[in-house]
Amino acid sequence: AQSVAQPEDQVNVAEGNPLTVKCTYSVSGNPYLFWYVQYPNRGLQFLLKYITGDNLVKGSYGFEAEFNKSQTSFHLKKPSALVSDSALYFCAVRPPPGTASKLTFGTGTRLQVTL
Amino acid sequence: ETGVTQTPRHLVMGMTNKKSLKCEQHLGHNAMYWYKQSAKKPLELMFVYNFKEQTENNSVPSRFSPECPNSSHLFLHLHTLQPEDSALYLCASSQGGQGAKVNSPLHFGNGTRLTVT
Repeated sequence: AQSVAQPEDQVNVAEGNPLTVKCTYSVSGNPYLFWYVQYPNRGLQFLLKYITGDNLVKGSYGFEAEFNKSQTSFHLKKPSALVSDSALYFCAVRPPPGTASKLTFGTGTRLQVTL
Repeated sequence: ETGVTQTPRHLVMGMTNKKSLKCEQHLGHNAMYWYKQSAKKPLELMFVYNFKEQTENNSVPSRFSPECPNSSHLFLHLHTLQPEDSALYLCASSQGGQGAKVNSPLHFGNGTRLTVT
């Protein structure tokens, strides 16, 4: 069975500093990986995805994520955090087509960016 | 504007009430989803519709009854709910279909915050 782990419930970072939100996964075959963000009182918004190709994926709002197959990780990064980045971040994984292809979400990591 | 609209935003209902949640998408997608979001838990997939056909029912209790009259509209009918059903219910849509479409991201509505008293 596939699974996603976000080991940190909360990440605190000062504005202007780099941020990393961690995600590891377990899935059979080559994974499709996604990051979503949820602002207060809103639904989830798609940030970026990895399907194939370059291990470094760039997404919305200056975020990027690095796919590391040997470590089965897909950590979300941003070089310089903004207070407005404070939100709940979800990693998600699904196996490639031809399998029981269900999208599985992690439990979320709350990012708090302070001045 | 997310392209996926959910109504109502908030709902308080008693355990004997019957109510419905509504979702409408304006993105031309063919797959629609209901998710349940509870604090400290992963998002729980409840139902999936693909081209108006239900393709997944994730062992959801029968007190939740989905309806998908067309590819743009999705309902969740609620009756005799329990307090533990209180949560944020999220609707999402995607391009749908099989094969290559599985890499299509989901587009979520802002959810209905349901409180069962």
